Amino acid sequence: EAEVAQSPRYKITEKSQAVAFWCDPISGHATLYWYRQILGQGPELLVQFQDESVVDDSQLPKDRFSAERLKGVDSTLKIQPAELGDSAMYLCASSRGRGTDTQYFGPGTRLTVL
Amino acid sequence: GENVEQHPSTLSVQEGDSAVIKCTYSDSASNYFPWYKQELGKRPQLIIDIRSNVGEKKDQRIAVTLNKTAKHFSLHITETQPEDSAVYFCAAIYWGGADGLTFGKGTHLIIQP
Repeated sequence: EAEVAQSPRYKITEKSQAVAFWCDPISGHATLYWYRQILGQGPELLVQFQDESVVDDSQLPKDRFSAERLKGVDSTLKIQPAELGDSAMYLCASSRGRGTDTQYFGPGTRLTVL
Repeated sequence: GENVEQHPSTLSVQEGDSAVIKCTYSDSASNYFPWYKQELGKRPQLIIDIRSNVGEKKDQRIAVTLNKTAKHFSLHITETQPEDSAVYFCAAIYWGGADGLTFGKGTHLIIQP
């Protein structure tokens, strides 16, 4: 069955460096989400896209984080500059539509900032 | 915004016994409540969900109940097996203009042989 793809799976960087994560949702899924999961906690929403438009980025630290989904398919999440507190798992999820449609998660990118 | 509380944080049961995980939510407008299972190093996977127009839903050994008045919902796993060991997350949709899930902090379920 189709799955959400993410890369890289692991990323180690030094603070103040720039990092980027990529997500390819399930084909035909219009809605895409980026979540951040700190070890031992549940995922927290960073940004939501409907096609190429941002629906909600109220929890995205916009001074250092940016996200785009230019053609309404795959998406990139960028952090510049990275800080120690950004170490976490970054999960991408997609759903066919909005509301109560099931969200399917990718395998995540584990970021470690040294 | 929505707030989801989940208990217990760790639950250890004997293989074959039942396990119950409980969650409460704050926003009475929330109307979709999924449960995800996350094994170590793997992606969260949906195991069951319930919508607010339903009080209970079952899928083989797994069931979820919802009490809208009290704003709480529970996951029930019967006849637990070693492969049930994982972290379980409850979540709720907060209808504040977007559809991002609000998750609880998770329950680490340990099945003792």
